[in-house]
Amino acid sequence: GQQLNQSPQSMFIQEGEDVSMNCTSSSIFNTWLWYKQDPGEGPVLLIALYKAGELTSNGRLTAQFGITRKDSFLNISASIPSDVGIYFCAGPHNAGNNRKLIWGLGTSLAVNP
Amino acid sequence: SAVISQKPSRDICQRGTSLTIQCQVDSQVTMMFWYRQQPGQSLTLIATANQGSEATYESGFVIDKFPISRPNLTFSTLTVSNMSPEDSSIYLCSVNGDRGVYEQYFGPGTRLTVT
Repeated sequence: GQQLNQSPQSMFIQEGEDVSMNCTSSSIFNTWLWYKQDPGEGPVLLIALYKAGELTSNGRLTAQFGITRKDSFLNISASIPSDVGIYFCAGPHNAGNNRKLIWGLGTSLAVNP
Repeated sequence: SAVISQKPSRDICQRGTSLTIQCQVDSQVTMMFWYRQQPGQSLTLIATANQGSEATYESGFVIDKFPISRPNLTFSTLTVSNMSPEDSSIYLCSVNGDRGVYEQYFGPGTRLTVT
């Protein structure tokens, strides 16, 4: 079935460093969503991508929809302590128009001040 | 995006009992989703709840264990029935957004511990 693979599983970086994480699939997606989940909170939508090749920014965050439509990347520039959390990618399930999402396993980010 | 609240925010329950979780949205939404997130894991969809129809459950989840109500376009409940320690998880509700077909917005979650 459909599956999203996220890497790396976890990252530990110094404040100020840039971060890059990705999400890949064996099947084509027509939408990529990136979420961040803070401890004790629900996921928050960061960026939504709808077209192959699309590059979208949200502040220090930039996400790209891969040309093959089987991958997406999220970059964080000049990381700060509040970037700590788990980042999930998600994409639509291919069964019908039910708007269900498939979720990656997440990338856990720790930032050392 | 919609503002979503959940009650309770957390609870500790004894095995064999049931807990009903409420999800309230500040605007009318077509679709509401209930997820389970086990400790350190990703999100697993339990069911999709549309107003005026029966909830649609995912493989591995059944109505007897997780009955859902959706009485109107701003409210839904999920009941976790006959709980066991394996039901200890975060339960999240989400709603579809109005900007994109697949965008979902989440409540803060209900952290359930079953002893």
